[in-house]
Parts: sequence; C-alpha cells; structure tokens
Amino acid sequence: SQTIHQWPATLVQPVGSPLSLECTVEGTSNPNLYWYRQAAGRGLQLLFYSVGIGQISSEVPQNLSASRPQDRQFILSSKKLLLSDSGFYLCAWSDGFNTEAFFGQGTRLTVV
Amino acid sequence: RKEVEQDPGPFNVPEGATVAFNCTYSNSASQSFFWYRQDCRKEPKLLMSVYSSGNEDGRFTAQLNRASQYISLLIRDSKLSDSATYLCVVIEGADGLTFGKGTHLIIQP
Repeated sequence: SQTIHQWPATLVQPVGSPLSLECTVEGTSNPNLYWYRQAAGRGLQLLFYSVGIGQISSEVPQNLSASRPQDRQFILSSKKLLLSDSGFYLCAWSDGFNTEAFFGQGTRLTVV
Repeated sequence: RKEVEQDPGPFNVPEGATVAFNCTYSNSASQSFFWYRQDCRKEPKLLMSVYSSGNEDGRFTAQLNRASQYISLLIRDSKLSDSATYLCVVIEGADGLTFGKGTHLIIQP
C-alpha cells in the first residue's frame, strides 16, 4: 500500500532563517506531488506541484521554492523565512490529475 | 477564475440528527469531485468520491448536480465523532485539485 511521510511535524523558526521540509512517498511510482499551505482559519492553497523528477510548477509567487530530486521525494525550501510564511504545510500525492490526493500528516510552521 | 464555494458554518447539530451541506463550483468542465474530512490540526483525509449517479457509504451520501453545479453531502444519524471540517474538492483536469474552504460541523450531545 502507498504511504506518505512528511517531517517534521512542528517547527519554530526565526525570521530570516532557512527552511527545508521533506516529503517522501512509498508504494507507488511517478506520482504527482503537491505542496499546500493552510493558514489559520483559511483554506488550502496550492503552492507547488510536480509531475516528475525535476519538474516543478509554481502556483503563487513567494519566497518559497520546491524541488523533486528523486521520483518520490519532494522538498519545500526557503532561503529566508518571513512571518507570513507561518502556517500548516501539507504534502500530498496522487496518481494523476483526475484522481484523489492523499496527504502527509503536515508540518505546523511558526515563524517568530 | 475557478472557485469552489462552501458555507463555512459552523453547523451545530444534535447527535442523531441528519445534516446536509452543499458546495458549488464555477467551472462547468470540472471532471471529478470529492469530499474530504479534516479534524482540528490534522491533515485532510478522503471521505468519499462523488459520482454522477450519487454515492452512499454507510451514513454518508454524496450527490452531484451538474446542471446546477453543486455537490452535496448528507450525514444521517450523526455521531459526536462526525464533528470536523468537511472540504469539497473539485478537479478540472490538468489544473489539479481545487479545495473549498470547508464547512465546520459540530455534533452536540
């Protein structure tokens, strides 16, 4: 069966510090991978998606970036965090664009 | 601009009652529809898919109305454990999933 792992679960970082969140998927190959952010009391915002190694599409301009160095690994990064980067970050995978997605447990990021 | 709209609630419902809420979508070309459930401070989890012919899973029934561009979720005999936020999800092909902001449901004893 397929599983998705995301870590860390919680993170407190100072403003201006770098960020690296990692997500890995097991039990499937060539999945679509997604990074979402959910701010407090708000909906899910798609940040990035990837249909293959090295292929990243950005949905919103920001100081975040994403990379997919391996088929089942998706990384979210920032060189310098802003206060507004605080939120609940969720990685997800799907078999294609017309199918349901499955989420990792999420990382709750607080920038202080 | 693609939009998926939900009543944020909260819906306060007594245990054992039936509750229903809708979700409207703006793109008539939308192809797939789902309901997700999200508990407080947790990740969303797939509750059920929504088919053109409707879909029933135990106490939960999902319906799709393409003509009016909405999907619905009906929960019968509600349990305390049904308290959560219910997210409507619409897929429009290569644009991937679009989430509604969710409907907050509170089942009261």
